[in-house]
Amino acid sequence: DAKTTQPPSMDCAEGRAANLPCNHSTISGNEYVYWYRQIHSQGPQYIIHGLKNNETNEMASLIITEDRKSSTLILPHATLRDTAVYYCIVRSPGGGADGLTFGKGTHLIIQP
Amino acid sequence: SAVISQKPSRDICQRGTSLTIQCQVDSQVTMMFWYRQQPGQSLTLIATANQGSEATYESGFVIDKFPISRPNLTFSTLTVSNMSPEDSSIYLCSVEDQARGAYEQYFGPGTRLTVT
Repeated sequence: DAKTTQPPSMDCAEGRAANLPCNHSTISGNEYVYWYRQIHSQGPQYIIHGLKNNETNEMASLIITEDRKSSTLILPHATLRDTAVYYCIVRSPGGGADGLTFGKGTHLIIQP
Repeated sequence: SAVISQKPSRDICQRGTSLTIQCQVDSQVTMMFWYRQQPGQSLTLIATANQGSEATYESGFVIDKFPISRPNLTFSTLTVSNMSPEDSSIYLCSVEDQARGAYEQYFGPGTRLTVT
């Protein structure tokens, strides 16, 4: 799996958009960008994934640059419950025996 | 999405003993994964468990220390053997499910193990 680089921590005001960056300059052509988050004392939670196009679901939006070397996860209206460690992971499409390789992630703190 | 439960949710064990952690999924899955999360650290993959075959272990993890069973498509166990304080961690199981051309992994709530 390609490596990713994320800032160790970020703050965001409640109600504002939280933009979490991720660099993955060595990503391969068939590798997806996945985002997970881990709220304290819970198992990681899947958020979103994408290959080339921008993606949006009920939780977040994922913006992938045209060269695919970086991406941004956007939480449009952050709440206190969004405080968590966010992991950006690059991996092949899966379906086999590949587990996930977690980096250190970004600790997002939502301020009231 | 798959719903995963783990037992026990937490335990405090004495060094030299063993603990078996159970993972139950509400649907049939081919692959199950076991991770460890040491205090203040990120998750590390221990092994992959495929029903009907031996588990595949990652570098640094061995079967004698972390034996895994996978008797059917909805259940797996991980045993932490001959425990030492360094084994104090959260142990998580996960499964893969397919959506929109790629696979998502879903995680259980974890088992918090403290070894004294």
